[in-house]
Amino acid sequence: EDKVVQSPLSLVVHEGDTVTLNCSYEVTNFRSLLWYKQEKKAPTFLFMLTSSGIEKKSGRLSSILDKKELFSILNITATQTGDSAVYLCAVANNAGNMLTFGGGTRLMVKP
Amino acid sequence: GAGVSQTPSNKVTEKGKYVELRCDPISGHTALYWYRQSLGQGPEFLIYFQGTGAADDSGLPNDRFFAVRPEGSVSTLKIQRTERGDSAVYLCASSLTSGIGETQYFGPGTRLLVL
Repeated sequence: EDKVVQSPLSLVVHEGDTVTLNCSYEVTNFRSLLWYKQEKKAPTFLFMLTSSGIEKKSGRLSSILDKKELFSILNITATQTGDSAVYLCAVANNAGNMLTFGGGTRLMVKP
Repeated sequence: GAGVSQTPSNKVTEKGKYVELRCDPISGHTALYWYRQSLGQGPEFLIYFQGTGAADDSGLPNDRFFAVRPEGSVSTLKIQRTERGDSAVYLCASSLTSGIGETQYFGPGTRLLVL
């Protein structure tokens, strides 16, 4: 059974801080790892990672995958209050099309 | 264009009642997924459609849950004889196809409360 574990469970920082969110996984026939941001209900897509060592970047957010050590990190630099959300990590395998999600990291950015 | 839409936004029902939750995927997306998210947890897979057929329903918890997608677009998740443990946010997602590398885009969900 595929498994995804995220840490920390929650995090409180101040605006301007840099944060690193962690995601480790166990997947049979790994296909991809995805990061989503969930503010209220709808998870919104951030990144899809398929190859080790290649950083994906979007503004202040970046992510990288390590397929040898089976983890990914999501970095947010110069955090803003609008970054407050639950960040979800999910993996897809080659056996099917479902995503297996971790429990999420709840980030709160204080002014 | 419009994203994935779901109705109703919220549904309150009594134990034992029947409910239907609707999902309207992004236009042109052939793959559609249902997930369930309990408070403080990540979404859990329920069922996946490719076109009109359920390609994988391994996540449905029991036979009280059923989903259809008769014309390959809108899908309805049906829950019979609801139980308090069914209370959760039901999320729908769609992707352009079901191939490798296809991103799933999520709707805002339906929050179901069974009293």
